Amino acid sequence: DAGVTQSPTHLIKTRGQQVTLRCSPKSGHDTVSWYQQALGQGPQFIFQYYEEEERQRGNFPDRFSGHQFPNYSSELNVNALLLGDSALYLCASSLGLAGGQETQYFGPGTRLLVL
Amino acid sequence: QKEVEQNSGPLSVPEGAIASLNCTYSDRGSQSFFWYRQYSGKSPELIMFIYSNGDKEDGRFTAQLNKASQYVSLLIRDSQPSDSATYLCAVRYGNNRLAFGKGNQVVVIP
Repeated sequence: DAGVTQSPTHLIKTRGQQVTLRCSPKSGHDTVSWYQQALGQGPQFIFQYYEEEERQRGNFPDRFSGHQFPNYSSELNVNALLLGDSALYLCASSLGLAGGQETQYFGPGTRLLVL
Repeated sequence: QKEVEQNSGPLSVPEGAIASLNCTYSDRGSQSFFWYRQYSGKSPELIMFIYSNGDKEDGRFTAQLNKASQYVSLLIRDSQPSDSATYLCAVRYGNNRLAFGKGNQVVVIP
């Protein structure tokens, strides 16, 4: 049973560039949530995708956008990178039943460094 | 006021002792609470969830929930060096959005 996978594992970009991170959910899961974890902090919710639509969004600027594909995999795009975007980006998958009350399981994360 | 607060500094416990971690949350209507363990450089791993007031035990871990006091705790009995990690408290809001505390680092001393 494949768990949540993310790619790439590490990424180095420069300020102003754009980046795309990818996530494949756990087998049988249809909901993907993205979180940003800065060093020494807890994960912060970016947004959640269910049925190929953004279902809810955290307090992140429009530079952060996403997409979910028919196979439930998801991408996180960040435009105009800032130094402060350096963080571990986590994807969590769950089963989006009515009310979305299922447990979230995290992938290994993508560590992004912006120089 | 932060949605989830974990205010304790790093916790050092001798091997075999009990580690106690605490977490408070702001939304009185919250129903679901989670503890994740995160090793350095790794992603969070779910170790416990609790929905009802009282205690829930799973092996060496016990989660305690007091909704009236808006307080969740985690006890780790017979602490092992492999328990050395950061423990994240999370509360579910809205449509399955998790709000996390900043975490508590636990160091088990052999």
